[in-house]
Parts: sequence; structure tokens; C-alpha cells
Amino acid sequence: LAKTTQPISMDSYEGQEVNITCSHNNIATNDYITWYQQFPSQGPRFIIQGYKTKVTTEVASLFIPADRKSSTLSLPRVSLSDTAVYYCLVGGHKAAGNKLTFGGGTRVLVKP
Amino acid sequence: DSGVTQTPKHLITATGQRVTLRCSPRSGDLSVYWYQQSLDQGLQFLIQYYNGEERAKGNILERFSAQQFPDLHSELNLSSLELGDSALYFCASSASGLAGLAPYNEQFFGPGTRLTVL
Repeated sequence: LAKTTQPISMDSYEGQEVNITCSHNNIATNDYITWYQQFPSQGPRFIIQGYKTKVTTEVASLFIPADRKSSTLSLPRVSLSDTAVYYCLVGGHKAAGNKLTFGGGTRVLVKP
Repeated sequence: DSGVTQTPKHLITATGQRVTLRCSPRSGDLSVYWYQQSLDQGLQFLIQYYNGEERAKGNILERFSAQQFPDLHSELNLSSLELGDSALYFCASSASGLAGLAPYNEQFFGPGTRLTVL
């Protein structure tokens, strides 16, 4: 079962870049890595997904090294509205009973 | 708005009782997932259904059960409730049953049901 580990919290300031790393040592060959954002009392919302190398969207980038045992979500030039909890999700491989494993979440606080 | 609806929004009940949470997936999505999120805790995967059949089981207690109906809506039944069952329960849906295993098969989460057991 792919277990994921993330830092519990990170503080940043408006306009800075925030990088959150998720470790997933037991990731399976078929697993994708997905990141979600969650605001208080709301359901998580999809941010970005990747399999290997680098993926870039309008709001974030995802870096995945060749061994795929970790991934880093990069949020460029954060604003106060980026204050949220960020979760990485490693896909449910058949060998693990298709279970989906979310990381514990990283609480990002953006200060003015 | 994700397109996933959950009812009720809030539920307050007593220990030992039984409740049913309901979820309607996005139009066209075949897969439904249930998650539990206790106060200040992460998301715990409970169970997944795909087109009416159970596809994956996570850390779901024996007191809990779920099903997905022919119209694809799903219900999560929680019985013999304990204080520790108080949590936010989220439902999510995806187009196929391959969330995490295939590209662009993201999960869309509902607004959640907040369950309080007194």
C-alpha cells in the first residue's frame, strides 16, 4: 500500500513560491500522483496530476523525479487566497486492493 | 460547484443511533467514493463503488456500510454510532473507476455532510 508523507504545515508570504514535497516510497508502476486543495469546511478540489517528469498548469507545477518516490507541488507567487490544506494522492493500485491513499495534508498559511 | 450533491448538510444524532448519508454523483460519472475527515485530520478513504459494484475498500468499520443504486446515487449507512464517528463525510465521483491510475480521472468532491454524535 502506497503510504504518503507530507510536511504538516508551511508558512509563506504573498508573492513567494511555495514548494510542498510528498514522499511515496512504495508507489506502484501504474499509480498517478494527484494533488488536491481544500479550504475549511469544503470538499477538496483537484489542482494537478502527473506520472513522471514535470507538469505545468496555469496555477501550479508538479515535479516528479525519475524514481517517482516523491513529488513536489510548486505554487508560484502565492496570494492570501492560497491559504489552504494541500493533499497528495497516490492512486489505488490493484495489488493494494485499489485503495486510495491521501497524504496527511500540508497546511499552508500565506501571510501578507 | 463540483456537481456532486450530498444530503443532509448537517446531522446531529445520539450514540447508538443509525444514520444514512446520501450522495448524487456528477452527471455521467460512474464511480463514487466515500471519505471520512475527523476534526483537523486528513482524508480517510472508506469505500469506492463503480457502476453499482464495490471496487475498493479502505478503512471502513464493520458498523458502516454503503451501496450504489442503479441510478448511480450512493448511500453510506452508519450504525451503532459512537462519539468518535463525529466527522465530515465526503462523497466524490469520477468518470471511471480508475481515479489515481489513469490521467485526467480526477475526483470531484461534494460539500460534505457534517455528522455530530452526542
